[in-house]
Amino acid sequence: EAGVAQSPRYKIIEKRQSVAFWCNPISGHATLYWYQQILGQGPKLLIQFQNNGVVDDSQLPKDRFSAERLKGVDSTLKIQPAKLEDSAVYLCASRTGTGFTEAFFGQGTRLTVV
Amino acid sequence: AQSVTQPDIHITVSEGASLELRCNYSYGATPYLFWYVQSPGQGLQLLLKYFSGDTLVQGIKGFEAEFKRSQSSFNLRKPSVHWSDAAEYFCAVGSYGGATNKLIFGTGTLLAVQP
Repeated sequence: EAGVAQSPRYKIIEKRQSVAFWCNPISGHATLYWYQQILGQGPKLLIQFQNNGVVDDSQLPKDRFSAERLKGVDSTLKIQPAKLEDSAVYLCASRTGTGFTEAFFGQGTRLTVV
Repeated sequence: AQSVTQPDIHITVSEGASLELRCNYSYGATPYLFWYVQSPGQGLQLLLKYFSGDTLVQGIKGFEAEFKRSQSSFNLRKPSVHWSDAAEYFCAVGSYGGATNKLIFGTGTLLAVQP
């Protein structure tokens, strides 16, 4: 079974530039999450999708972050404009939509804002 | 509010020694509890989970954890550590309500293994 795929693995940008990350979840997984992991901290949820609908984006900085999951499969997370404090690893995870089942994580995208 | 505390930021053990990583949680109902491991440059891999039933749960790679409701703890243990266990370990509690089911993570414990 293929795992959660993310790209790119690494990205370096200057502050005020924009950047986008892509996630392809495990086939058939209805729930998709984006987490932000700042160095030295645990992952923090940014947004949760159920199919192509948002169910929780309470911690997403909506003035600069946006995310979509068209057709309920792939998802993109965008930052525009980026700030220095956005430097982090962005993890995508997916799980089946029923019950509290295991979430599977991708390898993440490491973003450095200079 | 739900939260997870991992009091040990960094632990060093000798190869072959036993290991215990501490985790305390705050959650109003019966919690779903998880331990994940993260190797450098990798995503998070599930070691084990507790949903209900037997309070001692077995996981992959020889790890186990014990749920103690009275202490609000879910400590991870391994009787004999291998060099390949060096990684960062995260405890998490599942926060669920309707369609919103998410993991709340602790800050992690970085494990170093001495030869």
